[in-house]
Amino acid sequence: GAVVSQHPSRVICKSGTSVKIECRSLDFQATTMFWYRQFPKQSLMLMATSNEGSKATYEQGVEKDKFLINHASLTLSTLTVTSAHPEDSSFYICSARTGAPNTEAFFGQGTRLTVV
Amino acid sequence: RKEVEQDPGPFNVPEGATVAFNCTYSNSASQSFFWYRQDCRKEPKLLMSVYSSGNEDGRFTAQLNRASQYISLLIRDSKLSDSATYLCVVNGDGGFKTIFGAGTRLFVKA
Repeated sequence: GAVVSQHPSRVICKSGTSVKIECRSLDFQATTMFWYRQFPKQSLMLMATSNEGSKATYEQGVEKDKFLINHASLTLSTLTVTSAHPEDSSFYICSARTGAPNTEAFFGQGTRLTVV
Repeated sequence: RKEVEQDPGPFNVPEGATVAFNCTYSNSASQSFFWYRQDCRKEPKLLMSVYSSGNEDGRFTAQLNRASQYISLLIRDSKLSDSATYLCVVNGDGGFKTIFGAGTRLFVKA
């Protein structure tokens, strides 16, 4: 299957700092990328959907000024957690798909963020 | 009503058992369907696509019932390694909108 690379896999940061997570599609053009958050033993929660070159569409309850998403190219999307707090500690996962309809999405390996 | 709904489980089954999960979707215009598997602390991975004619891959069988708007996943002869969360995925909006169910947890015990 297609490869989506997410970096970093783990990050520990101090409260109040910002953290950037990268999601790259390595062998296909990712027209659409999704960002999810997952707390322990809970299901994936969609945070936002981004289409290349457009502003991201955020799900209800997700603060767009706190979780900045940039999808400037067909192979790269970034999620920046701004002014991180301990409650932002979670597993963040991206997924990507092409612009063709009815295709599957492929996931990055996830980023485990710990805010101390 | 959620667009995609799954029984969260957990399903606790012995090795060798047959277990089935259903997933219902609300948008009758949904066009494509998939099952993903997620292991603990890992990313979801595509398990199989679900075709109108059904799809079988070894011990796994996926079926689509458009009239009742659900997809199913059947696992035969369960193995310990089948323990995971199974997510159903539905593509709507002309096939461009990807919606994940919350997942069904399966524990296979010796």
